[in-house]
Amino acid sequence: GAGVSQSPRYKVAKRGQDVALRCDPISGHVSLFWYQQALGQGPEFLTYFQNEAQLDKSGLPSDRFFAERPEGSVSTLKIQRTQQEDSAVYLCASSSGTYQPQHFGDGTRLSIL
Amino acid sequence: DAKTTQPPSMDCAEGRAANLPCNHSTISGNEYVYWYRQIHSQGPQYIIHGLKNNETNEMASLIITEDRKSSTLILPHATLRDTAVYYCIVRGTQGGSEKLVFGKGTKLTVNP
Repeated sequence: GAGVSQSPRYKVAKRGQDVALRCDPISGHVSLFWYQQALGQGPEFLTYFQNEAQLDKSGLPSDRFFAERPEGSVSTLKIQRTQQEDSAVYLCASSSGTYQPQHFGDGTRLSIL
Repeated sequence: DAKTTQPPSMDCAEGRAANLPCNHSTISGNEYVYWYRQIHSQGPQYIIHGLKNNETNEMASLIITEDRKSSTLILPHATLRDTAVYYCIVRGTQGGSEKLVFGKGTKLTVNP
């Protein structure tokens, strides 16, 4: 379809492993966002790109979290040395321009054992 | 922190209108009201947004009070598929971050 695509849909990793989560935004969307959603809570902002520029990374919880969007399209969220508290659903959203509505993917459910 | 207050849960009968309230008493002049919903195991879905005039689209209507301190999302004929958590979000359009700040939302249950 033409929506935001995230992969993998589910990821299980052992504590201490590194993981990489992928987001394919809607074609042509310049803005891309990452959110983290804990069980029973609303999504919480992690970081934001406009094209390839990371304009806001104030929500990244630690330096173990790193996001990139090198060509202004696909984005990857990387978590190094995963901890149990990193278990959550990671949501990606894209929008067509400044302050336009954000359209979300269905997320990657990350479980750290 | 979220700038909105919503009831934690509501029930609605199938086929009836669902009216979801939201208080945003500290809203400023350049801030829009956005509504999203999240069906279980899916990402949030954009519904509608508005500044001060009432808005309507194929999904819902948004009624904003004249003082803009509160709003109501109306689903005119609720179906079982409208069961979801509904989030009311206030966001500015001049400067600042484009991030959305989600609260806990209202869990709407549509009953047969």
